[in-house]
Amino acid sequence: EAQVTQNPRYLITVTGKKLTVTCSQNMNHEYMSWYRQDPGLGLRQIYYSMNVEVTDKGDVPEGYKVSRKEKRNFPLILESPSPNQTSLYFCASRDVSRGLTFGAGSRLTVL
Amino acid sequence: GENVEQHPSTLSVQEGDSAVIKCTYSDSASNYFPWYKQELGKRPQLIIDIRSNVGEKKDQRIAVTLNKTAKHFSLHITETQPEDSAVYFCAAFQGNFNKFYFGSGTKLNVKP
Repeated sequence: EAQVTQNPRYLITVTGKKLTVTCSQNMNHEYMSWYRQDPGLGLRQIYYSMNVEVTDKGDVPEGYKVSRKEKRNFPLILESPSPNQTSLYFCASRDVSRGLTFGAGSRLTVL
Repeated sequence: GENVEQHPSTLSVQEGDSAVIKCTYSDSASNYFPWYKQELGKRPQLIIDIRSNVGEKKDQRIAVTLNKTAKHFSLHITETQPEDSAVYFCAAFQGNFNKFYFGSGTKLNVKP
């Protein structure tokens, strides 16, 4: 089944404790991206990647890092999480002829 | 950068009526406009999309129209059903920068 898998689905952490949210897709898509969803603000792009070793900032990259060492994986790294990064995060990949396919989401709470 | 505005933020219709959600964008370089449906607690799912060289596209009860000159596009749902109740997001893809910009969402409630 074609899918985007992200983990963990739920995470509660404390300020400053580094964490990684993993994302993997099995559709051989070149384009992958991360979004955060906050009430009333829709989805905002954090980072995207056009291919292996090619990443770029989206609209809200502050406080986040990404890497793309393999085509299928695109982890989101929060080096020093802060409470304002409490949000619902979605990873997505894209076929050039279609829109985004989203993962199930990761709800992160930073205390 | 691109700015996508979406209206209304909430929409309540009677089952069987039509629903229309409108979005505007600011950057004429945007060339791809998808619509997503997000049910409560679920991921956004693509329901229809349109490219900048097309004015209208239909898929059963769902249609999207695009007016490039005015920089707006709309989602039309006919014969609404309770299962259409969800949050709908429009988006614009800015091809020059490979970025997606989303509207703030419309919560559609279809009353049986």
